[in-house]
Amino acid sequence: QKEVEQNSGPLSVPEGAIASLNCTYSDRGSQSFFWYRQYSGKSPELIMSIYSNGDKEDGRFTAQLNKASQYVSLLIRDSQPSDSATYLCAVGNNDMRFGAGTRLTVKP
Amino acid sequence: DADVTQTPRNRITKTGKRIMLECSQTKGHDRMYWYRQDPGLGLRLIYYSFDVKDINKGEISDGYSVSRQAQAKFSLSLESAIPNQTALYFCATSALGTGDYNEQFFGPGTRLTVL
Repeated sequence: QKEVEQNSGPLSVPEGAIASLNCTYSDRGSQSFFWYRQYSGKSPELIMSIYSNGDKEDGRFTAQLNKASQYVSLLIRDSQPSDSATYLCAVGNNDMRFGAGTRLTVKP
Repeated sequence: DADVTQTPRNRITKTGKRIMLECSQTKGHDRMYWYRQDPGLGLRLIYYSFDVKDINKGEISDGYSVSRQAQAKFSLSLESAIPNQTALYFCATSALGTGDYNEQFFGPGTRLTVL
C-alpha cells in the first residue's frame, strides 16, 4: 500500500510568520512530488513541484525534498491570511497518491 | 473559459440509478484522471487514461467505469449508484512529457449525493 501522510492540523500561524507543512511517503520508488493548495469548496491548485533532493524556491514558497528520509515539506514565508487553505501533498509517477491535507490558518 | 470543465456541478440521485459525470478539457493534454474526495481521506484516484486507447484502474475503481471518447473528453460512470459513493469528484489533466513529470490540473468538481 502506497501511503502519503500529513498532519491534519489545523496549523495556525500569525500573519508574517513562516508556516511549515510536512509530508512523509512510503513508496521509495516515487520520483515526483507536489504541493497543492485547496480553498474550501474549490478544486486543488498546483503551487509547487519538486523532483530532486534539496530545496526549490518560488516566491514565498520553498519545497524541500529528502528522498533518503522519504520526506517532503513546504515552507511559506511571510504568511498572509489569503494563504489560509488546506495544503495537499501528492506523490507519484503515473499513479498519484495524495495525503489527506493539512489545514492552515493564518491569523491577522 | 475554464481549461477543464465538469458537468454536472451538482447531482442528487437515488440508490441504483446510473450516473455519468463528464469532463472536457481545452489544455491539449493527453492524460486525464478521475478522483474522488471524501472528508478526512483526501483525494483518491479512480481511473486514469494516457490516451484514447489506454485506460488504467486507480486505487478505488470498483463500482466505477470510464470512457475516453476523445483526447479532450473523459467520462466517469456509476452503473448502480450507492450511498457510499456520495463524494466530491474531480477530473484532472496532465501533459505527456518525458521522465516522470506529472503536474496535474483540476476541474471545478462535481458534488454527487446518492440517497
